Amino acid sequence: AQSVAQPEDQVNVAEGNPLTVKCTYSVSGNPYLFWYVQYPNRGLQFLLKYITGDNLVKGSYGFEAEFNKSQTSFHLKKPSALVSDSALYFCAVRDPRGSSASKIIFGSGTRLSIRP
Amino acid sequence: NAGVTQTPKFRVLKTGQSMTLLCAQDMNHEYMYWYRQDPGMGLRLIHYSVGEGTTAKGEVPDGYNVSRLKKQNFLLGLESAAPSQTSVYFCASSYQTASGNTIYFGEGSWLTVV
Repeated sequence: AQSVAQPEDQVNVAEGNPLTVKCTYSVSGNPYLFWYVQYPNRGLQFLLKYITGDNLVKGSYGFEAEFNKSQTSFHLKKPSALVSDSALYFCAVRDPRGSSASKIIFGSGTRLSIRP
Repeated sequence: NAGVTQTPKFRVLKTGQSMTLLCAQDMNHEYMYWYRQDPGMGLRLIHYSVGEGTTAKGEVPDGYNVSRLKKQNFLLGLESAAPSQTSVYFCASSYQTASGNTIYFGEGSWLTVV
């Protein structure tokens, strides 16, 4: 069965510093991986996804994520954090094969807090 | 540009009451989903649908029923609400494509069961 883990409930970073939000996954085949962001009292918004190809994926708002197959990870990164990046971030995985092909499973979320 | 629309946005129910959450999407997506979001547990899939007239169980289906009579609508029903169903509910939809299906979410429905 597919699963995804976000080991950190909260990440605190000073504005201007680089940030990393961690995600690891488990699927039986080659995964489709996603990052979403949720601002207070809103639905989730798509940031970026990895399907195939270059392991470094660039997305919205200056975010990027690196797919690492050997470590089964898909960490979200940004070179210079902004206060406006403060939000709840979700990693998600989909196994494109078999009966699970239609399911996208989300991690528990990581709250990112950027201090001025 | 509506996207995914959920109604109602807020609702308070008494234990044992029933209600239906409505979800509509205008993007002609094949797949639709209902998730619940609880503190510390992220999003959990309740039920999903891969097309009109079809539904399937997700991770936490107990106490909920769904229907997909029209492609654009996906209804979530609570037959006898319980306090454990107090949560924020999100509807979502996506295409099924070879390049991976990005999910589009509604704004959420806040349900309190007292």
